[in-house]
Amino acid sequence: QLQLQESGPGLVAPSETLSLTCTVSGESLINDGFFWDWIRQPPGKGLEWIGSIFHRGVTYYNPSFASRVSISVDPSKNQFSLRLTSVTAADTAVYYCALTPAVPRGRYDSWGQGTMVAVSS
Amino acid sequence: DIQMTQSPSILSASVGDRVTITCRASQNINSWLAWYQLKPGKAPKLLISKASTLETGVPSRFSGSGSGTEFTLTISSLQPDDFASYHCQQYRINPWAFGQGTRVEVK
Repeated sequence: QLQLQESGPGLVAPSETLSLTCTVSGESLINDGFFWDWIRQPPGKGLEWIGSIFHRGVTYYNPSFASRVSISVDPSKNQFSLRLTSVTAADTAVYYCALTPAVPRGRYDSWGQGTMVAVSS
Repeated sequence: DIQMTQSPSILSASVGDRVTITCRASQNINSWLAWYQLKPGKAPKLLISKASTLETGVPSRFSGSGSGTEFTLTISSLQPDDFASYHCQQYRINPWAFGQGTRVEVK
């Protein structure tokens, strides 16, 4: 059974880097049929797509994050990771990892439970 | 970028009520629309894809309709497990965009 589980610090200081990892079980990250994405939901707001990675290293990012975001994959651990630099209070959110089929890309069939990250000193 | 607008933001209803949530896209997305159910502390659940395709295991009281820019999610008879938030999402053009969500609460 496919499961995704986010992990990482629940508190990050302003101007620092937010780093989260998603551990996948029940499916291989090197499956050509899937992309692996990060999505977040700030308190009281809607969901926001952050970015996407294919196991061969192809990435797509939401332009609203400009150059602050990077997503990487570690097939040996069946994990993929999110890195968001120069965080502010506006980056406080529940962060989700999710799976989307390669075709059609963008429909999220499976999600993790989410992890809350607060940006505060 | 495509903007998604949901209404209402909050919907108060009782068990057994018929509930309808509307989602509008700022431009034509054909039928590339998904609906998700979110509950605190749980993994979001895909309910409907391609505007009207019910996902496996989703109760038949859920239905979706629409194309182009106007879409609806209907729950024909609200059940206790359905009190949650519902979010639409377009996946026609990247960056994928979500609506702001509709919280269905007990009346």
